[in-house]
Amino acid sequence: NAGVTQTPKFQVLKTGQSMTLQCAQDMNHNSMYWYRQDPGMGLRLIYYSASEGTTDKGEVPNGYNVSRLNKREFSLRLESAAPSQTSVYFCASRKSHWGQATDTQYFGPGTRLTVL
Amino acid sequence: SQQGEEDPQALSIQEGENATMNCSYKTSINNLQWYRQNSGRGLVHLILIRSNEREKHSGRLRVTLDTSKKSSSLLITASRAADTASYFCATALNAGNMLTFGGGTRLMVKP
Repeated sequence: NAGVTQTPKFQVLKTGQSMTLQCAQDMNHNSMYWYRQDPGMGLRLIYYSASEGTTDKGEVPNGYNVSRLNKREFSLRLESAAPSQTSVYFCASRKSHWGQATDTQYFGPGTRLTVL
Repeated sequence: SQQGEEDPQALSIQEGENATMNCSYKTSINNLQWYRQNSGRGLVHLILIRSNEREKHSGRLRVTLDTSKKSSSLLITASRAADTASYFCATALNAGNMLTFGGGTRLMVKP
């Protein structure tokens, strides 16, 4: 199993450009998450999807949109990138099937985004 | 605002020594988790302790939880150079709820 994969690994954008960060998991997990990590700080939740077909805002959703394409994939879109969105973005997933739920999250390797 | 705050922010020790990191949080929780992040990598789950537990062990890791003080500590015994990483605590208000991460402790273990 590859676990949680993210593409791309690195990206440089100009202010105002748009892009989509891709995330996929092969662990049959119901819940998926997008976080951002700024230098020297912990992770902050942008959006999450408790199950296929649902998405909810986290702590810092402004400037982002998400799509839970299917059970495996959860994408994060920046419609008009701003320098304040320069960060490392992590996707995570969690097993949350009824009766088999755990609280552990599994993280991807991250996407390093720079907005000029 | 971050629920958990780690202390110290940075810690440098010699190989073989023990490393202790602390986490304080603000509201009642269901569980608290510790994660490790190697430089340039994603987070890896280390250990989870529930609000009705006081201490858990996993290999060289020992976690304590004091709900009256709203604090937790992570002890790494007999540290190795490979333990060099950032360590984050994360709290869940309810089972299966969102995690809120602290700012992390950067641990350096010198060979």
